[in-house]
Amino acid sequence: DQQVKQNSPSLSVQEGRISILNCDYTNSMFDYFLWYKKYPAEGPTFLISISSIKDKNEDGRFTVFLNKSAKHLSLHIVPSQPGDSAVYFCAASTNYGGSQGNLIFGKGTKLSVKP
Amino acid sequence: DVKVTQSSRYLVKRTGEKVFLECVQDMDHENMFWYRQDPGLGLRLIYFSYDVKMKEKGDIPEGYSVSREKKERFSLILESASTNQTSMYLCASSLTGIFENTQYFGPGTRLTVL
Repeated sequence: DQQVKQNSPSLSVQEGRISILNCDYTNSMFDYFLWYKKYPAEGPTFLISISSIKDKNEDGRFTVFLNKSAKHLSLHIVPSQPGDSAVYFCAASTNYGGSQGNLIFGKGTKLSVKP
Repeated sequence: DVKVTQSSRYLVKRTGEKVFLECVQDMDHENMFWYRQDPGLGLRLIYFSYDVKMKEKGDIPEGYSVSREKKERFSLILESASTNQTSMYLCASSLTGIFENTQYFGPGTRLTVL
């Protein structure tokens, strides 16, 4: 039973356009959400995060939006660049119930940005 | 700067061998984690540790054990490697605290079991 779902295994976008990666979750106790970027043969790199007290967080070309009522978050990349081509993982955590903040990961979305 | 290192980038072992994967972090983080990543399955948690000498099972602990004798070091052990343990192994660490759940990953170890 997946608590964090990334329903699109892949996404292809033209360079300069917007990339939108989506993530849905089922556990209403999740209160912290993160996006990681992963290149082949490398470890995931932390990209951006958002706590449940916010609905938007921005860092340069990357913006994460959180819709708690829909249990949905999205990552916007504007403008997209070929170097953004990677697998993006959504992750969620909760500090309740003694879970100590373990991250629950989605299965990832492979983004391809074409020149 | 955040630094998590893993002992090997690539490893080839034979079925039945005992395999040690080492992870070291220099950020004084309390929490350390071992994941494996397989195509289409995302990151799956094998074991984690909140403190020295402490360990907890993750989602897929079967066939694995861990050791944390020092705060900065977390070892993953495959007691008797099998071909279905061929995978990318990722180590991560994090601080303890509200909203301090960001995990920082090492470069990964690509393990092939023949």
